[in-house]
Amino acid sequence: NAGVTQTPKFRILKIGQSMTLQCAQDMNHNYMYWYRQDPGMGLKLIYYSVGAGITDKGEVPNGYNVSRSTTEDFPLRLELAAPSQTSVYFCASSHVGYQETQYFGPGTRLLVL
Amino acid sequence: GESVGLHLPTLSVQEGDNSIINCAYSNSASDYFIWYKQESGKGPQFIIDIRSNMDKRQGQRVTVLLNKTVKHLSLQIAATQPGDSAVYFCAESGGGGFKTIFGAGTRLFVKA
Repeated sequence: NAGVTQTPKFRILKIGQSMTLQCAQDMNHNYMYWYRQDPGMGLKLIYYSVGAGITDKGEVPNGYNVSRSTTEDFPLRLELAAPSQTSVYFCASSHVGYQETQYFGPGTRLLVL
Repeated sequence: GESVGLHLPTLSVQEGDNSIINCAYSNSASDYFIWYKQESGKGPQFIIDIRSNMDKRQGQRVTVLLNKTVKHLSLQIAATQPGDSAVYFCAESGGGGFKTIFGAGTRLFVKA
């Protein structure tokens, strides 16, 4: 199993540009999550999904959108990038019923200039 | 409000010594607590967890202690090794993973 994979590893965006962060898992997990991690801070939940076709907002959803068309994939869309979105983004997944144990991807480092 | 905090942002220990990383939580309704390890440039990795009906749980070289009276959580690492150098996060959950709240983390340095 590859586990949770994320692409790209690093990206520089100009203010106002858009991009999609990709996340995929091959563990057949129903639950998937997107977090952001700012320097010296803990993880903040952006969006989560409990299954294909079902998504919901987390703590810091503004400026982001998600979709979940398959169990495996959970892309995060940034529209009109702002410097405040400079961060490291982590995708995670977990089993149904074991949703507290989350498996994380390697992260995407995003710099908005 | 809900918060998970750490007493020490940085901890430096000698190789072979035991490490203790502390964490305070404020939500008395939290019933599940997790410790994650994050190495440089990688995502967090699950280490050990404990539920609120337990006071102690042991894993391989790691022990988590939960004191619900003072809302305190600790991670003990026995015989700390250079490979243990990382940032350690505690997290609390009210029973659903999407409600997990992460602390800021403690950086552990292991001196050879």
